[in-house]
Amino acid sequence: RKEVEQDPGPFNVPEGATVAFNCTYSNSASQSFFWYRQDCRKEPKLLMSVYSSGNEDGRFTAQLNRASQYISLLIRDSKLSDSATYLCVVNSMTEKLTFGTGTRLTIIP
Amino acid sequence: NAGVMQNPRHLVRRRGQEARLRCSPMKGHSHVYWYRQLPEEGLKFMVYLQKENIIDESGMPKERFSAEFPKEGPSILRIQQVVRGDSAAYFCASQLGLQETQYFGPGTRLLVL
Repeated sequence: RKEVEQDPGPFNVPEGATVAFNCTYSNSASQSFFWYRQDCRKEPKLLMSVYSSGNEDGRFTAQLNRASQYISLLIRDSKLSDSATYLCVVNSMTEKLTFGTGTRLTIIP
Repeated sequence: NAGVMQNPRHLVRRRGQEARLRCSPMKGHSHVYWYRQLPEEGLKFMVYLQKENIIDESGMPKERFSAEFPKEGPSILRIQQVVRGDSAAYFCASQLGLQETQYFGPGTRLLVL
């Protein structure tokens, strides 16, 4: 079983729609959780950290369920510029980041 | 404040040659990580270094790969006797302190012919 699992997609979504990504992790000792965004042939960039209480940043909402070891990302009112690969990332006490393989999102005009 | 810098951005090597990848962390960051991304795969951790020390090299292949982060100068990832399977994007990330955000450089794309 992979340490971090994501649906690889691709998700093709019309502009303005809401899209949700899910992710599960296997290491119950994981401490920190993130969503990164990676554009084609670019480096990953931090989109947002994920907290147990849930957190929101504009059109983006992230949720963490420690009991189920499940992380989600919701994008509302999607825009063309949201097209990218979204990476679910987990950090254990060892500091090294463990990445999911990513979910590819394409927003269709 | 300049971001994480990596060079070269693209590197072409023939089988059996050596590849040297350099990473300059953000100013003030003393924690450096190297990750590798194979085509169509996620990033995989390779090694975690602090100045003059290798903290965790559990993701490094046992042979041909080495990394250093000297007191002065950039971190270096060195691949000896490259093979075609080493072709990948190599990303460096730096961090101010433990449990802080890791910021990624633009990567070095290595192509082995």
